[in-house]
Amino acid sequence: QKEVEQDPGPLSVPEGAIVSLNCTYSNSAFQYFMWYRQYSRKGPELLMYTYSSGNKEDGRFTAQVDKSSKYISLFIRDSQPSDSATYLCAMNAGGYQKVTFGTGTKLQVIP
Amino acid sequence: DGGITQSPKYLFRKEGQNVTLSCEQNLNHDAMYWYRQDPGQGLRLIYYSQIVNDFQKGDIAEGYSVSREKKESFPLTVTSAQKNPTAFYLCASSITGGLRDTQYFGPGTRLTVL
Repeated sequence: QKEVEQDPGPLSVPEGAIVSLNCTYSNSAFQYFMWYRQYSRKGPELLMYTYSSGNKEDGRFTAQVDKSSKYISLFIRDSQPSDSATYLCAMNAGGYQKVTFGTGTKLQVIP
Repeated sequence: DGGITQSPKYLFRKEGQNVTLSCEQNLNHDAMYWYRQDPGQGLRLIYYSQIVNDFQKGDIAEGYSVSREKKESFPLTVTSAQKNPTAFYLCASSITGGLRDTQYFGPGTRLTVL
């Protein structure tokens, strides 16, 4: 079983929809949670960074962490065609621990 | 502009050849990383370095080598011992590699073995 599970998609939504992207994990030591966006043939760029449980909002993006369920989510409101990309979740336990990445969910927003 | 550069963008290698991928950063970050990305497998850590002249193996170091002679540079050599080198290679850096540190990625190098 992988430490981090992420549905690969693809997920297709109409422009303006609310998108929900999710990851589950098995390592209860994970404390720091990140979402990266990766456009095709490009390097990932950091979108959101959260510590422990709770919500964090940045513009159209909201990151949610539920440590009791070992479940994290990224919500995108008013989705745009420019949001079409692969979204990677990532997490680590803190200290000099390596970051563990999900496999990524491919999102397509249809105009 | 501060950032991470990787070169070349595309690289073709014949079987049995060693090739070196370049990674340079001007962010003044101490820590640098190399990842390999394959479809359906996510990012896998090859090597990382938290300080000049020191580096550690990641999860899939076999067939790869690195050096860290300068803070801003962390080249990766893919040797002929790497059985399946065709992949997308990503270099990243972070301030210290420690607590609450986030990683920033370069644009990647796509290596194809002919």
